Amino acid sequence: QKEVEQNSGPLSVPEGAIASLNCTYSDRGSQSFFWYRQYSGKSPELIMFIYSNGDKEDGRFTAQLNKASQYVSLLIRDSQSSDSATYLCAVTLPPYGGSQGNLIFGKGTKLSVKP
Amino acid sequence: DAGVTQSPTHLIKTRGQQVTLRCSPKSGHDTVSWYQQALGQGPQFIFQYYEEEERQRGNFPDRFSGHQFPNYSSELNVNALLLGDSALYLCASSPNPFKETQYFGPGTRLLVL
Repeated sequence: QKEVEQNSGPLSVPEGAIASLNCTYSDRGSQSFFWYRQYSGKSPELIMFIYSNGDKEDGRFTAQLNKASQYVSLLIRDSQSSDSATYLCAVTLPPYGGSQGNLIFGKGTKLSVKP
Repeated sequence: DAGVTQSPTHLIKTRGQQVTLRCSPKSGHDTVSWYQQALGQGPQFIFQYYEEEERQRGNFPDRFSGHQFPNYSSELNVNALLLGDSALYLCASSPNPFKETQYFGPGTRLLVL
């Protein structure tokens, strides 16, 4: 069973602090890694993706991937109240059946940014 | 540039009924995937359509079926509804079946009574 594990939280950080969200995955063949943000009652919104070991930065967001440890994380710098949401980690496996197919999601970590 | 659209936004059905949900992919995208998201859970993959064929399928029973039309839009059908089918149904599109980055529509919230 291919699994993606996340701490469900809630993770509470003060405004202006760094929020650190973590994710582990079970299948060593996992190929690509995604972070989605989901506000309550809304659909997931893609915020970052990473394919290679190391860090990838986009504005206040940094994704970190360590394939040897099967670990991916998301750092949010200068956290703002608008960052309060559930963050979903997702991975894909190598393609089969003529497509890249499905994202495998964790249950998400709820982040609360307090003023 | 229109994003992924889904209809209806909300739906209430009773056990045993059948439901059809609809999705139009983002402009320029030809691959559509469907996901089910139960309350407090991450989305779970149902199936993916490309070139009007089901390409991959997740661990869902045959009660869940789909279709893709020549204009790339897609339908998800669920027969013999169960209470446990109550969830947010998400459609995601991508430019091709090997492009892993998927963009989600707003979802259809289904309640089965």
